Amino acid sequence: NAGVMQNPRHLVRRRGQEARLRCSPMKGHSHVYWYRQLPEEGLKFMVYLQKENIIDESGMPKERFSAEFPKEGPSILRIQQVVRGDSAAYFCASSPLGGASTDTQYFGPGTRLTVL
Amino acid sequence: DAKTTQPNSMESNEEEPVHLPCNHSTISGTDYIHWYRQLPSQGPEYVIHGLTSNVNNRMASLAIAEDRKSSTLILHRATLRDAAVYYCILSASGNTGKLIFGQGTTLQVKP
Repeated sequence: NAGVMQNPRHLVRRRGQEARLRCSPMKGHSHVYWYRQLPEEGLKFMVYLQKENIIDESGMPKERFSAEFPKEGPSILRIQQVVRGDSAAYFCASSPLGGASTDTQYFGPGTRLTVL
Repeated sequence: DAKTTQPNSMESNEEEPVHLPCNHSTISGTDYIHWYRQLPSQGPEYVIHGLTSNVNNRMASLAIAEDRKSSTLILHRATLRDAAVYYCILSASGNTGKLIFGQGTTLQVKP
C-alpha cells in the first residue's frame, strides 16, 4: 500500500506567482490534513478536508490560501501571490477515521516551498 | 485544547534505553495520548498512542501514569536512526482530529 504522496517535493516561486501543492492520500483514506512548518518553527495545522468538503480551516491564513479535495484526484493546497514569508515545508497527512481520538495520521514527505 | 510539556532536548547513547517524558496535567478523561516523531528533513511519523493502560508496539512502549497527568515514551534500545524530534500530543474525541504540535523533544543519539 503506497504511502501519502506529495508533489512536487521542492517548489521555487518568485514573489507574486502562484504555488500549487498536491497531496494524494493513502488508498482508502478520505480525510486529509495540511500542516505548515516555517523555518526553525514547529508544525502548525492549516486545514482539514474530507472528499469535496472543508471541515476545519481554522489554521488557514485569511487571504491567498485555499484548499480543496475533489471527488476524484489529489487534494490541492493553493497559495496565490506568494510572498517570502510563505517559504516553508508543507506537509499533508491522511487518515482513515478523521476526528476520532484513536485516529492515526500518516504524513507525506512534504513540499518545500521557496519564494525568491 | 489540553497542553503538553516536554523537555526541549535529551541525549542518549546508542543501544541504551531512552525515556522521553511528557506532562499533561490538564488532560481530560477522553483524551488519548499520541506520540509522533519527525526525523530530519522528513514528515512526522506516528509512534504510539494510548488512553490508560501501558502500550507496546514494535517501535516503542508508552507508560501512562495512573492519574494520567504524565506519560513516558520508552525506546528500549536507541539507534542512530532514532535521532528525531518527538512530539507528545493529546487527541480529544469530538475534535476534528487536527494535531496540535508543541516544540517536542529533540533526541540526540551518540554512537
